[in-house]
Amino acid sequence: AQSVTQLDSQVPVFEEAPVELRCNYSSSVSVYLFWYVQYPNQGLQLLLKYLSGSTLVKGINGFEAEFNKSQTSFHLRKPSVHISDTAEYFCAVSETEGYSTLTFGKGTMLLVSP
Amino acid sequence: SQTIHQWPATLVQPVGSPLSLECTVEGTSNPNLYWYRQAAGRGLQLLFYSVGIGQISSEVPQNLSASRPQDRQFILSSKKLLLSDSGFYLCAWSVGQGYTGELFFGEGSRLTVL
Repeated sequence: AQSVTQLDSQVPVFEEAPVELRCNYSSSVSVYLFWYVQYPNQGLQLLLKYLSGSTLVKGINGFEAEFNKSQTSFHLRKPSVHISDTAEYFCAVSETEGYSTLTFGKGTMLLVSP
Repeated sequence: SQTIHQWPATLVQPVGSPLSLECTVEGTSNPNLYWYRQAAGRGLQLLFYSVGIGQISSEVPQNLSASRPQDRQFILSSKKLLLSDSGFYLCAWSVGQGYTGELFFGEGSRLTVL
C-alpha cells in the first residue's frame, strides 16, 4: 500500500517570495502523483499531476512540481507567491498497477502575508 | 463538461438524528464515486467508494453507510449521528475507464452534530 508524507503542516511566507511545499511518498510499485489545493470551505481543485514523461510538471496558477523517483519526492514550487495563494495544499498518490484509491497527505497550509 | 453537485452545503443535526447527504455527477457515464471526510487537522479520510451501481466498498468501520441507487448518484447516510461525525464531507468522482486516480471534487457539505 502507498503512503504520503507532507513534512510541513504550515508554511508562512511573504508575498512575492518563492515557496516550496514538500511531499514524499512510499510505494512498492510505480505511481501517479497529484497536488490539490483547497480554499476555505471549498472542495479540492487539481493543481497539477504527474502520470508519465517529463519529471517537471507545470500546473495552474504558476505552480510546478518535480518528480524525483530516487528520492521518492514530488515537491511543489512557485517562484513568487500572491496573497491569493493562501490555502491548504494536498499531495496525493495512486499506484499505476490495478485499481488503488488515491491516498492523500495530511496537507500543508500555505499562509501568504503582505 | 462534467459537473458534480453535492447537498446540502451545511447541516446542523442533534446527536442521534439521521443523516442523508446526496451527490450527483453530470456529463459522464460509469464514474467511480467517493465519499471523503475531512476533520479539522486530520486530512482527508476515505469513507466509501463505488465502481458501479450497487457496489459499495467501505474503508473505515463506522456508523455511516453509502448507497448508489443510480449510475451518477451517491448517497451518504446514518441512522443515528454521533458527535464524532462532525466534519466536512466531500464527494468526488473519477473516470472508470483509463483510471489514474485523478479525482474531481464537489464543493463539500459541512456537518455539525450537537
